[in-house]
Amino acid sequence: GENVEQHPSTLSVQEGDSAVIKCTYSDSASNYFPWYKQELGKRPQLIIDIRSNVGEKKDQRIAVTLNKTAKHFSLHITETQPEDSAVYFCAASNGAGKSTFGDGTTLTVKP
Amino acid sequence: GAVVSQHPSRVICKSGTSVKIECRSLDFQATTMFWYRQFPKQSLMLMATSNEGSKATYEQGVEKDKFLINHASLTLSTLTVTSAHPEDSSFYICSARVLTRITDTQYFGPGTRLTVL
Repeated sequence: GENVEQHPSTLSVQEGDSAVIKCTYSDSASNYFPWYKQELGKRPQLIIDIRSNVGEKKDQRIAVTLNKTAKHFSLHITETQPEDSAVYFCAASNGAGKSTFGDGTTLTVKP
Repeated sequence: GAVVSQHPSRVICKSGTSVKIECRSLDFQATTMFWYRQFPKQSLMLMATSNEGSKATYEQGVEKDKFLINHASLTLSTLTVTSAHPEDSSFYICSARVLTRITDTQYFGPGTRLTVL
């Protein structure tokens, strides 16, 4: 089955700096890669996603890049703010909609 | 975005009892829903895929007789933890799949905190 690895497990940045979280996947059949943000005690919320036919996608301060050949994708957050502090999960999904999640990255943005 | 509700949000029960958790898609129909379990400071572990009108597909290591899933309608899936034990205490989250031409998105419920005494 699919295996998703996510790094780093924790990330601390100063407000205004950029944050990068990286994930690798093993199944070349995976074709959809969403990123979720989960605040403490709350549900995961989709923040951005990318399909396998696209190399990069941007939404304001958030961007995701995908390298299909290397089977890795990354989340980039620019101009970080304290409210960006949360746990971020990457996932890889096949055509059946079943997602395999990474272990999560706890991002702390220090004011 | 699509809204998914879960009920109850918290439940405390005695060991040996059964607990039912409901997952509803409020403003859309979901032929597929997923059930996850999440331990503190850990990732989401997929337990099973719930398909409307058919049997659920369980992940390896998940006991189907212990975690009963029913997806009787396009807006409701239920997870019943049978004969619950303290080790079943966890945060259970459901999600509903929304599939379009360009996206394949899961919308998550708020989760249910189960504590088995």
